[in-house]
Amino acid sequence: EAGVTQSPRYAVLQEGQAVSFWCDPISGHDTLYWYQQPRDQGPQLLVYFRDEAVIDNSQLPSDRFSAVRPKGTNSTLKIQSAKQGDTATYLCASSFTDNNYAEQFFGPGTRLTVL
Amino acid sequence: GDSVTQTEGQVALSEEDFLTIHCNYSASGYPALFWYVQYPGEGPQFLFRASRDKEKGSSRGFEATYDKGTTSFHLRKASVQESDSAVYYCALGGPRTNAYKVIFGKGTHLHVLP
Repeated sequence: EAGVTQSPRYAVLQEGQAVSFWCDPISGHDTLYWYQQPRDQGPQLLVYFRDEAVIDNSQLPSDRFSAVRPKGTNSTLKIQSAKQGDTATYLCASSFTDNNYAEQFFGPGTRLTVL
Repeated sequence: GDSVTQTEGQVALSEEDFLTIHCNYSASGYPALFWYVQYPGEGPQFLFRASRDKEKGSSRGFEATYDKGTTSFHLRKASVQESDSAVYYCALGGPRTNAYKVIFGKGTHLHVLP
């Protein structure tokens, strides 16, 4: 079974540029999460979906961040006008909610550097 | 709000030493508790979970017991190996009614010397 895949693996931007991250979850997983992980810190939840619906996006930093999952499968996280403070690894995870407390499966992440 | 506290930021041990990484939580209701491990260049990997008081989770020689009285879920291993060097995260998650929102601790870097 294929794991969670993310692309690109690395991105380097100048401040003010836009960037998109793409995530393909494990087949059949209905819940998808995006996390931001600054260097030497734990993952911090940004947004998550059940199928195509946003369950919670209250932790998205600002209007510069947006995320979609239009068909309930793949997802895209976009940063408009990136800032140096956005430098971090962006992790995607998926899970299957048929049972309580389902564990999450993470992709390898996209390491973003904003100069 | 809900939170997870990992006391140790870094732990350095020699092979075959006993490991304890402390995890305490603060949450309303009855959360599930998790341990994840992260190797360099990879996303976190699920180790195990526990979802009720006194339940023990275990995997790969690691174990932790859910203690509602002390609000703790300490990670232990009897004999560590160099390959156990990684970052370990304690996390808590809501039940289905909380739509599986998972909160991670800051992590503990484990360095095992040969």
